[in-house]
Amino acid sequence: GNSVTQMEGPVTLSEEAFLTINCTYTATGYPSLFWYVQYPGEGLQLLLKATKADDKGSNKGFEATYRKETTSFHLEKGSVQVSDSAVYFCALSDRTGNEKLTFGTGTRLTIIP
Amino acid sequence: NAGVTQTPKFQVLKTGQSMTLQCAQDMNHNSMYWYRQDPGMGLRLIYYSASEGTTDKGEVPNGYNVSRLNKREFSLRLESAAPSQTSVYFCASSESASPFNQPQHFGDGTRLSIL
Repeated sequence: GNSVTQMEGPVTLSEEAFLTINCTYTATGYPSLFWYVQYPGEGLQLLLKATKADDKGSNKGFEATYRKETTSFHLEKGSVQVSDSAVYFCALSDRTGNEKLTFGTGTRLTIIP
Repeated sequence: NAGVTQTPKFQVLKTGQSMTLQCAQDMNHNSMYWYRQDPGMGLRLIYYSASEGTTDKGEVPNGYNVSRLNKREFSLRLESAAPSQTSVYFCASSESASPFNQPQHFGDGTRLSIL
């Protein structure tokens, strides 16, 4: 079956540090890949997505590149801010007729001033 | 903009009690979903409704029932609550059932404790 493995958290960084949150996946066929973000007390929001190999999704300074050869979709940001503190979820949809989202366990990120 | 509205936000139940979690969306979306979020488990799909009048089981449907009351509303019912159902429940909606094309929009969640 489908699965998503995320970097264990929590992650604590200083403001303006470089961020990487690792995500690898197992899926049937060629899935679409997503990063969702959950700010404190809120529901999840789509942050970015990529739908085929070598695609780069980007939003709000975050980027992730769909790497088929390593089955990875790592989230990166060059300079984090306190407002980026949240829980980040990697997810996939396998597009084989069962187009449901499979989520990773989430990575809690805290940015300190 | 309301988006996806869940009620209640918090609830404490005793084992064996029943309750219904309500969800409504005002975006004219066709598809709606119920997830549960547990520590270390991420989000798991309980039930979904690809369109008005249809419902299907997700990954963890046991102990739950759903009703797609109309296009706007999708409720989740616990008939006989068990401590294992202590969780945070999220409702979501999307324009279509394909996350490939349409992102899911989430409510703020219902935190449910079963004693």
